[in-house]
Amino acid sequence: GAGVSQSPSNKVTEKGKDVELRCDPISGHTALYWYRQSLGQGLEFLIYFQGNSAPDKSGLPSDRFSAERTGGSVSTLTIQRTQQEDSAVYLCASRGQGGTGELFFGEGSRLTVL
Amino acid sequence: DQQVKQNSPSLSVQEGRISILNCDYTNSMFDYFLWYKKYPAEGPTFLISISSIKDKNEDGRFTVFLNKSAKHLSLHIVPSQPGDSAVYFCAASEYSGGGADGLTFGKGTHLIIQP
Repeated sequence: GAGVSQSPSNKVTEKGKDVELRCDPISGHTALYWYRQSLGQGLEFLIYFQGNSAPDKSGLPSDRFSAERTGGSVSTLTIQRTQQEDSAVYLCASRGQGGTGELFFGEGSRLTVL
Repeated sequence: DQQVKQNSPSLSVQEGRISILNCDYTNSMFDYFLWYKKYPAEGPTFLISISSIKDKNEDGRFTVFLNKSAKHLSLHIVPSQPGDSAVYFCAASEYSGGGADGLTFGKGTHLIIQP
């Protein structure tokens, strides 16, 4: 499709398990972002990839969170040893070069940690 | 410290009337502002934006006003329609061709349009 694609759309896991969330950005978009939205909260920045530059990881809440972007395209967000407070909707967004700040979001991956 | 604040978690407006959603920011370096709309189980979608060199931008039923001295912006929807019921996020950036942290979002305002 032409939009940002995320999978899985829903994930229920047990506390302590690892999860991987995938994002396929819009083709040709060089910038990729991960945000999360917890219940009743706004969109919290997690990590940013721009081309081949080192990612900006300043928003990652703990060292249990990591992300990679392979080949400048698909990105995977990994949460190790999940905790209940990790339950949220994880949103991926991409932006083309020379854009005016507009991010294009995927539909999100809803993570529930029991 | 929240840099973008939407102080109204929800707003109820009658169909056909004007909806006004407010947003305040604290970072004077922000120079580009956007509104996103989000339906349940969907990702946010871009609605309208405004650069700090302007004080108004209009697109159909949607108008965004920016008051830089007050660090305040608002989104006006007129006339409001049932399909406008959604959560609206205010966002801001220090646009520099692709800033490291993208956009800073407010917590959102849930707009409910009543028939």
